[in-house]
Formats: sequence, C-alpha cells, structure tokens
Amino acid sequence: QVQLQESGPGLVKPSETLSLTCNVSGGSISSYYWSWIRQPPGKGLEWIGYIYYSGSTDYSGGTNYNPSLKSRVTLSVDKSKNQFSLKLSSVTAADTAVYYCARNLPTTQDGFDIWGQGTMVTVSS
Amino acid sequence: QSVLTQPPSVSGAPGQRVTISCTGSSSNIGAGYDVHWYQQLPGTAPKLLIYGNSNRPSGVPDRFSGSKSGTSASLAITGLQAEDEADYYCQSYDNSLSVLIFGGGTKLTVL
Repeated sequence: QVQLQESGPGLVKPSETLSLTCNVSGGSISSYYWSWIRQPPGKGLEWIGYIYYSGSTDYSGGTNYNPSLKSRVTLSVDKSKNQFSLKLSSVTAADTAVYYCARNLPTTQDGFDIWGQGTMVTVSS
Repeated sequence: QSVLTQPPSVSGAPGQRVTISCTGSSSNIGAGYDVHWYQQLPGTAPKLLIYGNSNRPSGVPDRFSGSKSGTSASLAITGLQAEDEADYYCQSYDNSLSVLIFGGGTKLTVL
C-alpha cells in the first residue's frame, strides 16, 4: 500500500523559498507521475505541477507546471530516497495553504489516486 | 472563479439521493477529458471517489456514481448517510489553460 508523507517548514518568510518533500513508502517512485496540490484556508484545490521520475518537459511526460505558478516552481525527484520535492520561490501571503503531494492516476495521469495527509505552510514575517 | 462550476452547497436527509453538478466548457469536459471526483472529509486530505467519469476505486461504496454528458458531469449519492457529510470536488484537464483543474467544491450537508 503506497503512502505519501509531506515534510518541511510550517512557516516561511515573505520573498523566501518554500521547500517541501514528499516521502513515498510502500512502493517505488519510478514509473509514476507525482503532483503537488495546494489548498488555501477555507478555499478550493489548486494543482501546482507534476513530475515523472525520468524527467523532461511536456504534458506527455516529465515535468509540467501550472502556468500561473510556472515561473516560481521547481519540482525534483530523489530516486535514492524515494522522494520528490517542491520549491516555490518569492512567496507571499497568498501562498499560505495546506500543501498536498499526490500520485497521478497510473493509466491517464490526469487525476490523483493517492494523497498525502497535507502540511500547512504559513507565509509570514 | 473556477473553470469548473459546482454548486456551493447541497443537502439531503438520510436515505435520500442527492446530485452534485460540475459544469465546464468545450476546452475541458466538452473536449472529452475525463472527470474525476474527490471527497474531502473535514480536516482531512481529499480522497478519490470516482475516476474516469464513472469508475469507482476499490473500497468506494456503490452508493456513489458518476456520469458525464456534453460539457457537464454529475456525482450522485444514494442512500445518504451522516458520514457522507463532506466537501466534494470535480476535476478535469483544460487544454486552453494547459492545466489540471478543480471545481470550486460543494459542501454536502446531511440534515
């Protein structure tokens, strides 16, 4: 049973970089697409981006980012640790949210079948 | 404002049937992209409820069903139970925005 667990600082200062890691247990990170999704307090869900283990840049494979966040987002994979990570630069209060990591649907990659429990990140000085 | 439009809230009594609509456009649902549904219980992460428009993952009761037609999709819940009280989100892909998109969410209240 694959499980995901997010980790990282719960408080980030404005203009700094938010860094989170998602640990994948119970299965390999290889051959799947992995996403980050966030949810501001009391609001809906926003997809941030996904990454595939082998890497490249396209919807059909590799990394793909939400255009609204693309200039500030970097996703990466650490195969040796079975983890993937999110970096979001130049954060503001608008980036305050619960951040979820998730596995994309294995067959179509356009939905999410496994989610982490989420981690709350507050942007404040 | 979300690209996929859901009613903010729906309600029903135990045992009743409720439906939640998800209205999109020709660049997402109408373009043939799949719709998925998620259930988010209070204080928890979303859980996949329906995938590929009408398929239930293992463990999801058959009280939950999904359908899609034209530029819209629907989630139906029959035999409503107190534990169904949650937020429900539809999700698809939009080819004009090149982004995986969510509806704004619908809060289900069991009366």
